[in-house]
Amino acid sequence: EPEVTQTPSHQVTQMGQEVILRCVPISNHLYFYWYRQILGQKVEFLVSFYNNEISEKSEIFDDQFSVERPDGSNFTLKIRSTKLEDSAMYFCASLLVLNSPLHFGNGTRLTVT
Amino acid sequence: AQSVTQLGSHVSVSEGALVLLRCNYSSSVPPYLFWYVQYPNQGLQLLLKYTSAATLVKGINGFEAEFKKSETSFHLTKPSAHMSDAAEYFCAVRQNSGGSNYKLTFGKGTLLTVNP
Repeated sequence: EPEVTQTPSHQVTQMGQEVILRCVPISNHLYFYWYRQILGQKVEFLVSFYNNEISEKSEIFDDQFSVERPDGSNFTLKIRSTKLEDSAMYFCASLLVLNSPLHFGNGTRLTVT
Repeated sequence: AQSVTQLGSHVSVSEGALVLLRCNYSSSVPPYLFWYVQYPNQGLQLLLKYTSAATLVKGINGFEAEFKKSETSFHLTKPSAHMSDAAEYFCAVRQNSGGSNYKLTFGKGTLLTVNP
């Protein structure tokens, strides 16, 4: 069965550095998402992306965050200048059509030191 | 705005016992409701979903959930727990309002442990 793949599985970075989290959604999917889960807390919606533009973003998704679909297969989340509180598990997800199941990747654990 | 409350951050059962994981939702419009499971070091896997058809929804691995509008609940059950069911379970709600939005609101999760 096709999967959403995320790399790396674990990223350690220093505060203030830029990080790019990479995702390869399922190939024929049209809608793309990033969620995050701070340790011990809820899974939170960050951003949705459709037709090469952001369709919705949460208040968490401030100017430090950006998303891009640079080619036909990758979907990236960039954090421009990481803060300690950005440490979390980041999940990418994709969707074929709006009433089909949302498929999640295994996540990237980001640790900011 | 919709929200989800999962009662009990940790539920422990014996192998073979009934599993009951509670979820209550709040939504201003008829919701879509989901249960996801997260095994250690893995992503979120869809167990089952309610999308306004039958109120009793059957999912994978023998799990089922019943939508009760009067109680605003969507509790997850399994008649007989197996050791492999040990995982974290998340209830989620999506507002059924159409458009290109598919924003899920998750509960805090319930960690299920199964004792031999």
